Amino acid sequence: ILNVEQSPQSLHVQEGDSTNFTCSFPSSNFYALHWYRWETAKSPEALFVMTLNGDEKKKGRISATLNTKEGYSYLYIKGSQPEDSATYLCAFTKYTGTASKLTFGTGTRLQVML
Amino acid sequence: DTGVSQDPRHKITKRGQNVTFRCDPISEHNRLYWYRQTLGQGPEFLTYFQNEAQLEKSRLLSDRFSAERPKGSFSTLEIQRTEQGDSAMYLCASSRIATLAGESYNEQFFGPGTRLTVL
Repeated sequence: ILNVEQSPQSLHVQEGDSTNFTCSFPSSNFYALHWYRWETAKSPEALFVMTLNGDEKKKGRISATLNTKEGYSYLYIKGSQPEDSATYLCAFTKYTGTASKLTFGTGTRLQVML
Repeated sequence: DTGVSQDPRHKITKRGQNVTFRCDPISEHNRLYWYRQTLGQGPEFLTYFQNEAQLEKSRLLSDRFSAERPKGSFSTLEIQRTEQGDSAMYLCASSRIATLAGESYNEQFFGPGTRLTVL
């Protein structure tokens, strides 16, 4: 059974705090790990896609790491701002030899307070 | 706007009615996906098209659901005889193959979704 888990489910932080979330996924047949940010009433926005063990990606104040051997990824936000408030989804792609569907976790809902 | 668009954004219907949603993908993308998100869950895969061919369907897609992509461009998702359990956000994504570190991967771009409420 393919299962992607994210923690915590929700998080409230103060503006300026740094925070991190966890995504765990099956390590067998791994192909790619995606992070999306989904703001209310908008389209999910791709943040990162990572394919190699040890990958680290950065986009502004947001960064992500990947461990494919143990099956986890971390997403870090440095100096949270109110505009970071959103649901952060990770999604796993299994190698199937064809264009692969995404298997999502349930997301981490982040609320950044002034 | 060159992103993925979906119509309508919201739909309220009575149990037993049929509904149809439309997705317009990014024009150069030949792959199109439908996902469904219910309360408290992440999006779940429903079906996938490459051009006009429907190549994969989830077990979640019961006989009441049908999806088409007649000319390999826009797609429709129809739900017949809606039930309250069909209430969800229906997301469409289109994709291209991108290359990262010498490997090809499937980068999916999402629309804003259609929120269905079945009364």
